[in-house]
Amino acid sequence: EPEVTQTPSHQVTQMGQEVILRCVPISNHLYFYWYRQILGQKVEFLVSFYNNEISEKSEIFDDQFSVERPDGSNFTLKIRSTKLEDSAMYFCASRDRTSGGYEQYFGPGTRLTVT
Amino acid sequence: AQKVTQAQTEISVVEKEDVTLDCVYETRDTTYYLFWYKQPPSGELVFLIRRNSFDEQNEISGRYSWNFQKSTSSFNFTITASQVVDSAVYFCALSEARGSQGNLIFGKGTKLSVKP
Repeated sequence: EPEVTQTPSHQVTQMGQEVILRCVPISNHLYFYWYRQILGQKVEFLVSFYNNEISEKSEIFDDQFSVERPDGSNFTLKIRSTKLEDSAMYFCASRDRTSGGYEQYFGPGTRLTVT
Repeated sequence: AQKVTQAQTEISVVEKEDVTLDCVYETRDTTYYLFWYKQPPSGELVFLIRRNSFDEQNEISGRYSWNFQKSTSSFNFTITASQVVDSAVYFCALSEARGSQGNLIFGKGTKLSVKP
């Protein structure tokens, strides 16, 4: 069964460093998302991406964040200058284009620890 | 504004008990989708069910059942004869159809502990 994959599973970085989190969505999916979950809290939407551009973003997704689909398979989230409060689990998700669908399939997550 | 409320922060039951997880949502959209996801201790998010706003039929899948009531804006989840493997955090989520690319608004989750 196809699944969303994410690398790395755990990333430790120092404050102020840039990190890139990588995701490979399910191959026939067209909508891609990033969410984050601070430890013990709810899952929060960051950004959605469709047709090679951002379609929606939350207030969390400020200028420090960017997303890219550099090739036909990868979908990346970059944090330019990490802060302590960026420590969280980051989930990538994707969905296909069926009109009544909207269910998203999530990757296993990348745990980002900023020290 | 869209919002999902899961009032139960933690629930603890003994194996074989039935348990209901509550979810109340708010939306101004007439077309929307409701979801339940399971997050086991390993951390991944597992899709359980989607419900469309125009389909109020309840659903049963094995030991799981879902009760969707538009009149009370609720989408509750019942596990019958709970098992230890059901221990997880369960999230209810909402997605609006209009003006949205399908991003999910999650509740805060209910942590279910099933003890042997």
